[in-house]
Amino acid sequence: GQQVMQIPQYQHVQEGEDFTTYCNSSTTLSNIQWYKQRPGGHPVFLIQLVKSGEVKKQKRLTFQFGEAKKNSSLHITATQTTDVGTYFCAGPRSNYQLIWGAGTKLIIKP
Amino acid sequence: EAGVTQFPSHSVIEKGQTVTLRCDPISGHDNLYWYRRVMGKEIKFLLHFVKESKQDESGMPNNRFLAERTGGTYSTLKVQPAELEDSGVYFCASSQEIPGGYRDTQYFGPGTRLTVL
Repeated sequence: GQQVMQIPQYQHVQEGEDFTTYCNSSTTLSNIQWYKQRPGGHPVFLIQLVKSGEVKKQKRLTFQFGEAKKNSSLHITATQTTDVGTYFCAGPRSNYQLIWGAGTKLIIKP
Repeated sequence: EAGVTQFPSHSVIEKGQTVTLRCDPISGHDNLYWYRRVMGKEIKFLLHFVKESKQDESGMPNNRFLAERTGGTYSTLKVQPAELEDSGVYFCASSQEIPGGYRDTQYFGPGTRLTVL
């Protein structure tokens, strides 16, 4: 069946280093969404990408949607402690259901 | 390992009727969450179970919504009576409790689409 794979599962970085998480879908997606879950919190919507090759920025966060609309990435430049959490991608399975990536946990090394 | 499953995938009911949604979490996951996504907007939290106990139900919209998790395994979310504004996609997620009292990553089900006519 349709799957959305997200890697890595965890990423440990020093504060100030960059962070990237990748999502790959087994099928072409009409759109992809990104969510952030703070420790102990709940996923919060960040952004939705729709167009092939689309790139969107939110301050230090850069989101990309692949040309084939099967992969996406989230890149954080110069991580800060406030970036800690788990980042999820999700793509539509049908016109209403979502298939979620397993999430990438960003951990800032002490 | 089986993922989080939800049933039904789609339900269409009339205003005033009752609907029960079911979520089966990943085996061994003590934490179970319900979320709702209305009209393509972002997902919003409804409630959180730890085993059979409601840990946080601050997101439940009103008393027409009743969630249960008897035995700490699967959970049901009942809407009675359903209203038009209850239409949306209801997601369930589960996670493990890991040493130190921390909750691991949430794994989401595909969702149940509820349409109230």
